[in-house]
Amino acid sequence: GDSVTQMEGPVTLSEEAFLTINCTYTATGYPSLFWYVQYPGEGLQLLLKATKADDKGSNKGFEATYRKETTSFHLEKGSVQVSDSAVYFCALSAGNTGGFKTIFGAGTRLFVKA
Amino acid sequence: AAGVIQSPRHLIKEKRETATLKCYPIPRHDTVYWYQQGPGQDPQFLISFYEKMQSDKGSIPDRFSAQQFSDYHSELNMSSLELGDSALYFCASSLGYRGRETQYFGPGTRLLVL
Repeated sequence: GDSVTQMEGPVTLSEEAFLTINCTYTATGYPSLFWYVQYPGEGLQLLLKATKADDKGSNKGFEATYRKETTSFHLEKGSVQVSDSAVYFCALSAGNTGGFKTIFGAGTRLFVKA
Repeated sequence: AAGVIQSPRHLIKEKRETATLKCYPIPRHDTVYWYQQGPGQDPQFLISFYEKMQSDKGSIPDRFSAQQFSDYHSELNMSSLELGDSALYFCASSLGYRGRETQYFGPGTRLLVL
């Protein structure tokens, strides 16, 4: 079945460091890919998305490129801030899985130190 | 912009009691999804509705039921509550149901079963 695998956390970085959170997926068909962010005590917020191969999603300095050849959607940010501390979920939604639910990765917790 | 509204935000129940969670989708959205997120876990899909009909079913226990009403709001009914039902319950909504729509999440209802 469809699945999402993302790097285990926690990831601890200093402010202004470069961030990469790896995400790979398995899916039949052509899924849409998403990154969601969950701040402490809050709900899920859509960070960025890409709906077809080679699309790049970007928002708030975060970027991710839909790589069909490597089935990856790695999240990157050039310079993290303390306010980026949160849990990041990679997710996919595919129209031919027999359903249209979003499948989430396990989440990666990011701590950014001042 | 209007977002997904969930009520109540917090709920405390005792074992074997019942609970009803409500979800009000973004205006004009016709699809509602329910997810359960246990402590430190990724969100797990429970059930979804499109145009007031159940469209997909995930890992929803038989003790739970849900429906979508004519105004597109949805309710998740949980009976014979167990300690393991303590979790954050998210509702999400989207416009359409073709697998590529972005799901917008509500803030969640935190349920504690004592």
